Amino acid sequence: GAVVSQHPSWVICKSGTSVKIECRSLDFQATTMFWYRQFPKQSLMLMATSNEGSKATYEQGVEKDKFLINHASLTLSTLTVTSAHPEDSSFYICSASVSQNYGYTFGSGTRLTVV
Amino acid sequence: DQQVKQNSPSLSVQEGRISILNCDYTNSMFDYFLWYKKYPAEGPTFLISISSIKDKNEDGRFTVFLNKSAKHLSLHIVPSQPGDSAVYFCAVPASKLTFGTGTRLQVTL
Repeated sequence: GAVVSQHPSWVICKSGTSVKIECRSLDFQATTMFWYRQFPKQSLMLMATSNEGSKATYEQGVEKDKFLINHASLTLSTLTVTSAHPEDSSFYICSASVSQNYGYTFGSGTRLTVV
Repeated sequence: DQQVKQNSPSLSVQEGRISILNCDYTNSMFDYFLWYKKYPAEGPTFLISISSIKDKNEDGRFTVFLNKSAKHLSLHIVPSQPGDSAVYFCAVPASKLTFGTGTRLQVTL
């Protein structure tokens, strides 16, 4: 089946630094990938839709200059959290649509802790 | 505005019994519904889906029921097993995949 690989699975960084999270589709091409964020005991909130070869579409309230998304190929999308602060600590998950029948597959997630 | 709601944040069920997880939605135009299971520190995994042309879909121990007039769907797990302990999200693939707030299921021995 379709597999989405997400790395790293966890990362700790200092305030003010930037962190890059990678999301790869391993056995299929993903023209569209999605980035979600989940705070403890809350639902998954869509941050942005990543489109191969074009600019990402951000949800309301998500700072596009802080959460940089690059989708340069059909198998790789990256999310860079720039100038990270403790409030950016969260669980970030990517996903890709794998079929027209509303099939979505998710990466394993990245736990970001900013200290 | 929460379009998909799961009013029970947690549920505890004894092993072997039935688990019933509920989900309500607001938009009667939604025509497809998904259930995902999520373990801590992992991404969600697809469990089962249902189209609005059906009122029931069954896959092994998992059955989803859809009541369109009530804008309500439920996921039944029977018999419940300890490995079913996880957070369950209902989701609607509208203009974007919208998740409910989740229900944490704990299956006890």
